[in-house]
Amino acid sequence: QQPVQSPQAVILREGEDAVINCSSSKALYSVHWYRQKHGEAPVFLMILLKGGEQKGHEKISASFNEKKQQSSLYLTASQLSYSGTYFCGTERTYNTDKLIFGTGTRLQVFP
Amino acid sequence: DVKVTQSSRYLVKRTGEKVFLECVQDMDHENMFWYRQDPGLGLRLIYFSYDVKMKEKGDIPEGYSVSREKKERFSLILESASTNQTSMYLCASSLARRERGDTQYFGPGTRLTVL
Repeated sequence: QQPVQSPQAVILREGEDAVINCSSSKALYSVHWYRQKHGEAPVFLMILLKGGEQKGHEKISASFNEKKQQSSLYLTASQLSYSGTYFCGTERTYNTDKLIFGTGTRLQVFP
Repeated sequence: DVKVTQSSRYLVKRTGEKVFLECVQDMDHENMFWYRQDPGLGLRLIYFSYDVKMKEKGDIPEGYSVSREKKERFSLILESASTNQTSMYLCASSLARRERGDTQYFGPGTRLTVL
């Protein structure tokens, strides 16, 4: 039931782009994306809701394909501050309280 | 801003000890969660509480118990710590009836090492 994230790890140079995928075997209502820096609390990035919407925040955007039960996080022109572990939390129906989190993707950006 | 705090950032305990991990949130959230985070396994839910004195088992409750005597505080208890409970423990909270676009909010985590 746990969504699968790919890739498990990404190494980038500053300015390069990356895509992180989150795939579920079950139909989803929403996907929540977080970033966690080493030793810190996970920080909420954005939520994608059923309806196939796409959202963006500066150079980080995401899409949600409900038919494929998959969400993708796009990091454009990566910065050093993007380094961390990204994980998705999935919700199967509206307001089920519990999220099921993915396996995580570790992103490292070097100068 | 939502603030979720955890009592310790790092904790070292011996096998067989009873361990208490404390979590406090200041946003009057009904729901509170305890997760365990391990490399390659992501976040796994240990226990969930949707109200004071109410709890529900998550995916990996074995070896753990919880206590919620006050709305703002949720404790995770390891009755007899074992080496396989060495991990990062994360607490989170959320509203019971989340608005569309709202989510769970996390504390900074407690890295527990059991020797």
